[in-house]
Amino acid sequence: EAGVTQSPTHLIKTRGQQATLRCSPISGHTSVYWYQQALGLGLQFLLWYDEGEERNRGNFPPRFSGRQFPNYSSELNVNALELEDSALYLCASSLEPTNQPQHFGDGTRLSIL
Amino acid sequence: QQQVKQSPQSLIVQKGGISIINCAYENTAFDYFPWYQQFPGKGPALLIAIRPDVSEKKEGRFTISFNKSAKQFSLHIMDSQPGDSATYFCAASGFGNEKLTFGTGTRLTIIP
Repeated sequence: EAGVTQSPTHLIKTRGQQATLRCSPISGHTSVYWYQQALGLGLQFLLWYDEGEERNRGNFPPRFSGRQFPNYSSELNVNALELEDSALYLCASSLEPTNQPQHFGDGTRLSIL
Repeated sequence: QQQVKQSPQSLIVQKGGISIINCAYENTAFDYFPWYQQFPGKGPALLIAIRPDVSEKKEGRFTISFNKSAKQFSLHIMDSQPGDSATYFCAASGFGNEKLTFGTGTRLTIIP
């Protein structure tokens, strides 16, 4: 069974640009979660999607947004990139919202120059 | 109230010893407590998880101890091996609020 896959592995952008990160959940999983892992700050919850709807978002500005497609894959968009957005962005999926556990991909390393 | 506090920040244990990592939470609505293991360049991998209806769960060399009244839980790694060297994160979530709240991580190093 294929795990959670994320693309690209690395992404380099400059301040003010936009970044799009993609995630394919484990087959059969309907819930997708996004987390930011910044150096020294641990993992912070960003967004949760289930059945195509945004169910919850963390304490991040509106320039962080995303969507979930009918095939349950998801993308995270970050607009007006700032230096502090440099981090590892992790996607996780679960079988259904109330059925933990969450399984993580290996992330997209976003570097802002 | 949403915080999960994890200690120690780093830990060095001799091969064959017991590694112990502790976490404490404040939100009594939390009802699911997983531990994740992360190697450099990889995403976190679920190691073991517990719900508050039991006080201990064991899977191989890994054991979670849970103290509901103290709002604390810990990970014990028995017979620690060099391959266990990684960063470990505790986390918590509650029904109806399925996001995971993570501790700040413990870098574990197992020395020969």
